[in-house]
Amino acid sequence: GAVVSQHPSWVICKSGTSVKIECRSLDFQATTMFWYRQFPKQSLMLMATSNEGSKATYEQGVEKDKFLINHASLTLSTLTVTSAHPEDSSFYICSARLGQEPYNEQFFGPGTRLTVL
Amino acid sequence: AQSVTQPDIHITVSEGASLELRCNYSYGATPYLFWYVQSPGQGLQLLLKYFSGDTLVQGIKGFEAEFKRSQSSFNLRKPSVHWSDAAEYFCAVGAGYSTLTFGKGTMLLVSP
Repeated sequence: GAVVSQHPSWVICKSGTSVKIECRSLDFQATTMFWYRQFPKQSLMLMATSNEGSKATYEQGVEKDKFLINHASLTLSTLTVTSAHPEDSSFYICSARLGQEPYNEQFFGPGTRLTVL
Repeated sequence: AQSVTQPDIHITVSEGASLELRCNYSYGATPYLFWYVQSPGQGLQLLLKYFSGDTLVQGIKGFEAEFKRSQSSFNLRKPSVHWSDAAEYFCAVGAGYSTLTFGKGTMLLVSP
């Protein structure tokens, strides 16, 4: 099946710094990528939908100035957590949808564990 | 808006026993339904999906699920559980061109 990678797999940073997470579709072109956040023992919460070449669509309650999303190509989307604080510590997962239809499968990356000290 | 309920936070099953994980959804029309599995510290892997046709769908790793419109359910089943099946399982619903809404997940523990 299609493969989605994320880099880094884990990162520890100091409060106030910015962290960039990359999401790549390795063997297919993804018009749409999604960014999720998962707290311990919780479900995945959609943060934003990222479409290649256009601005991301953020879910209600997600600060677009804090979580910057760039989808520069059909195989790469990035999430930058700006001025990170301890409450931003979480597991961030991206997914890429193969095809345009809503029932098309989303392929998930392995996730990035962010710890802000 | 659509929603998903997974009533069981965790379930313990003996190895070799059968398994059923419950999932109920709320949506006005026929949704697209998915089951994913997540191992600790990992992303999600699709087990199976339903969007039309036969209401009993077969997935990978010996899993199957049945869509029951009258009960708004999409329960996941496996006839004989293996220790390697221990993981967290998420039911998800998609509707229209919106993205997926996930349930809170069910942690499966497999006892020897």
